[in-house]
Amino acid sequence: TQLLEQSPQFLSIQEGENLTVYCNSSSVFSSLQWYRQEPGEGPVLLVTVVTGGEVKKLKRLTFQFGDARKDSSLHITAAQPGDTGLYLCAGEEAAGNKLTFGGGTRVLVKP
Amino acid sequence: DAGVIQSPRHEVTEMGQEVTLRCKPISGHNSLFWYRQTMMRGLELLIYFNNNVPIDDSGMPEDRFSAKMPNASFSTLKIQPSEPRDSAVYFCASSITNTGELFFGEGSRLTVL
Repeated sequence: TQLLEQSPQFLSIQEGENLTVYCNSSSVFSSLQWYRQEPGEGPVLLVTVVTGGEVKKLKRLTFQFGDARKDSSLHITAAQPGDTGLYLCAGEEAAGNKLTFGGGTRVLVKP
Repeated sequence: DAGVIQSPRHEVTEMGQEVTLRCKPISGHNSLFWYRQTMMRGLELLIYFNNNVPIDDSGMPEDRFSAKMPNASFSTLKIQPSEPRDSAVYFCASSITNTGELFFGEGSRLTVL
């Protein structure tokens, strides 16, 4: 059982549709990061959230950190084929501790 | 600026052979991480270093795996002897602190036959 559970594991949608990816845990995190990984490359950081209830926007991507800092979501509006990739959340359990990654959500946006 | 550099990008070897993966972190980063990624288990932390000192190696699967960081600009991950179940993509990442943004290399894809 992973500390961070991501859902769904796989998502296939048409260009222009919206999607939401979830990252859940029973543990409280002092911060949470979202990464995107494209085939043949390493993950790249999209955003870091640190405050319960925080919402951050990155163009068509909206990230939310749960009030209790146990969960997070990533919403993509009007998805494009360039959004295709593996989305990973990573949580820092206690200040100064290491990051733990979720299992990832593989997103495929078809043109 | 150069990112994290890993070598080799691909390696195919036979069971029982020694494998050495190499990593050059970003200059000025104090933390270095080795991860393994498979479809079944996702991205797993194997070991990480702070200021060249191993801090947490609890993710290292067994004694066949070892990692060193002799200086701030170089680290190795060694598997001896290798087994087919070691087949995976191995990533090296560095960061300014152990919980800051991770900068990943492009990975080393290992296939053990």
